[in-house]
Amino acid sequence: QVHLVESGGGVVQPGTSLKLSCETSGFIFSNYAMHWVRQAPGKGLEWVAIIWYDGTSKFHADSLKGRFTISRDISKSTIYLQMNSLRVEDTGVYYCARGLGGDGYTSFDDWGQGTLVTVSS
Amino acid sequence: DIVVTQSPDSLAVSLGERATINCKSSHSVSYSNKDYLAWYQQKPGQPPKLLIKWASTRASGVPDRFSGSGSGTDFTLTISGLQAEDVAVYYCQRYNGTPYNFGQGTRLEIK
Repeated sequence: QVHLVESGGGVVQPGTSLKLSCETSGFIFSNYAMHWVRQAPGKGLEWVAIIWYDGTSKFHADSLKGRFTISRDISKSTIYLQMNSLRVEDTGVYYCARGLGGDGYTSFDDWGQGTLVTVSS
Repeated sequence: DIVVTQSPDSLAVSLGERATINCKSSHSVSYSNKDYLAWYQQKPGQPPKLLIKWASTRASGVPDRFSGSGSGTDFTLTISGLQAEDVAVYYCQRYNGTPYNFGQGTRLEIK
């Protein structure tokens, strides 16, 4: 059974950094693309980043303006989201999701429960 | 920019009746006989759940009252015989490359 467990959220001040983790189990980690998706309070879903199965291809939403970086550790079956220069508008629940396949051309088949990031002074 | 738009924003349907949600992409999501369009259901306090992939293929365990149709730029999610547990926000999403845009969501309620 696929499990995705996010952690690392919390309350931080604007301009600071935070690193989220998504620990996975129940599938062969190196075979699947992984995503980060966020949801501001009371708002819709916004795709944030993807890392392909081989770890060599990574893409981020243009709206982030280079502040966020996705990465992974195969030995821990975990993906990360390094978030720098945080802004109030980055507040929300951050979900990790597993792609149906290894590349970026599949739906998001499994989702974690999310971790809440609050950016406030 | 690629934009995905859903209609309506909210919908109230009687139990047992049909609910229809539309999704339009500003660019075609169809390529090589595949439609790169998914539908998700999100209930309050829960993560999204995949309902439909490839525009019309139900995900594992999804009841057959949920169906998807369409191609190119226009798609539809139909819920036949609405049940109380179907109250949720529904999102469509294109996944034929970055950015993986979602529609703004459609809130479905019981009339």
